[in-house]
Amino acid sequence: DGGITQSPKYLFRKEGQNVTLSCEQNLNHDAMYWYRQDPGQGLRLIYYSQIVNDFQKGDIAEGYSVSREKKESFPLTVTSAQKNPTAFYLCASSIGFLTYEQYFGPGTRLTVT
Amino acid sequence: DAKTTQPPSMDCAEGRAANLPCNHSTISGNEYVYWYRQIHSQGPQYIIHGLKNNETNEMASLIITEDRKSSTLILPHATLRDTAVYYCIVRVGGDMRFGAGTRLTVKP
Repeated sequence: DGGITQSPKYLFRKEGQNVTLSCEQNLNHDAMYWYRQDPGQGLRLIYYSQIVNDFQKGDIAEGYSVSREKKESFPLTVTSAQKNPTAFYLCASSIGFLTYEQYFGPGTRLTVT
Repeated sequence: DAKTTQPPSMDCAEGRAANLPCNHSTISGNEYVYWYRQIHSQGPQYIIHGLKNNETNEMASLIITEDRKSSTLILPHATLRDTAVYYCIVRVGGDMRFGAGTRLTVKP
């Protein structure tokens, strides 16, 4: 069964701790993305990767880091430098980077107190 | 600058067609129109996309005006499970810009 998995669904952390969100896909997609969504808002792009071992900053990359060591995996680390980390985080993938639809995972809701 | 304009909310009766409008008056010739929807607390779901011609799939139809400055997503027989936020996006390349969308409520 192909798709994108994100774990966990809910995550709670104390302020000042780094936390890594998991994103795995078995769709054989080259491109992967991380978005952030705040209540009542649209999605904002954090980072994207067009291919393994390559990634680019999106609109709101400050306080976040990523790696793309394997085609299937694109983990996102929320660092203590991120001022407002509490949000809904969505991972997506697409066959390629240009004019292809993106498929989204179920999301991880991160709460930092 | 917002590239698309959508009404913030719409209602539709169950079983009737839901017609969701989107204005994209500044669309350029190589930009596609994409539609996604997001049910509460889930990841967005791809619905349909098009460039110039009208498109239809098992979920919906997409009608794009001849000047490409606006489009309409049609859900032919709305069900309660179609209640969601619907996003209209114009894009070329990998950047998918989601705005606030239209909150569609399907009522019994």
